[in-house]
Amino acid sequence: EVQLVESGGGLVKPGGSLRLSCAASGFTFSSYTMNWVRQAPGKGLEWVSSITGNSTYIYYADSLKARFTVSRDNAKNSLYLQMNSLRAEDTSVYYCAGGNQIRFWGQGTLVTVSS
Amino acid sequence: DVVMTQSALSLPVTLGQPASISCRSAQSLVHSDGNTYLNWFHQRPGQSPRRLIYKVSNRDSGVPDRFSGSGTGTDFTLKINRVEAEDVGVYYCMQGTHWPITFGQGTRLEIK
Repeated sequence: EVQLVESGGGLVKPGGSLRLSCAASGFTFSSYTMNWVRQAPGKGLEWVSSITGNSTYIYYADSLKARFTVSRDNAKNSLYLQMNSLRAEDTSVYYCAGGNQIRFWGQGTLVTVSS
Repeated sequence: DVVMTQSALSLPVTLGQPASISCRSAQSLVHSDGNTYLNWFHQRPGQSPRRLIYKVSNRDSGVPDRFSGSGTGTDFTLKINRVEAEDVGVYYCMQGTHWPITFGQGTRLEIK
């Protein structure tokens, strides 16, 4: 059974940093592009970033490129998102999602940016 | 960025009746490899999204056959044969043909 388990969310002050993690199991992690997708409270889905299986290609939403960094460790079956200079508008549930065309989703981790 | 437009933000449907959700892309979603990477997701209240349909018309495993997807180029439709209570929630289309990946704004299906 495929499982994606996010962690690292929480309350952070504007300007602060947070590192999200996603532990994957039940599939050949290194073979698949992994993604972060976020959802602000009461809003729709917003793609954040993607990283290919061997980390050769990395993509970001233009508006986030300068502040967010995605990485993965295939030996640990883990995906990460380093978020810096956080703003109130970054408040969202962050989902780890993977598989071809975003087949699998985690349960999400809530990031709240507030003073 | 490819804008994905779902024409209805809300869709009230009677139980047992059919439902149709449309999604239009601002440019063709036919990839250079010949595939059309248009996918549909369903998100129930308080839950993570779940993919229902990939590459326009392919149902994911475990998805009831009352769900079907169709369309070509820039116009796509998700159809539910006979709506059941568990079908409530928000439906999103998503294109994976062009970077960046983009989602429609969502269509909320509710029971009349």
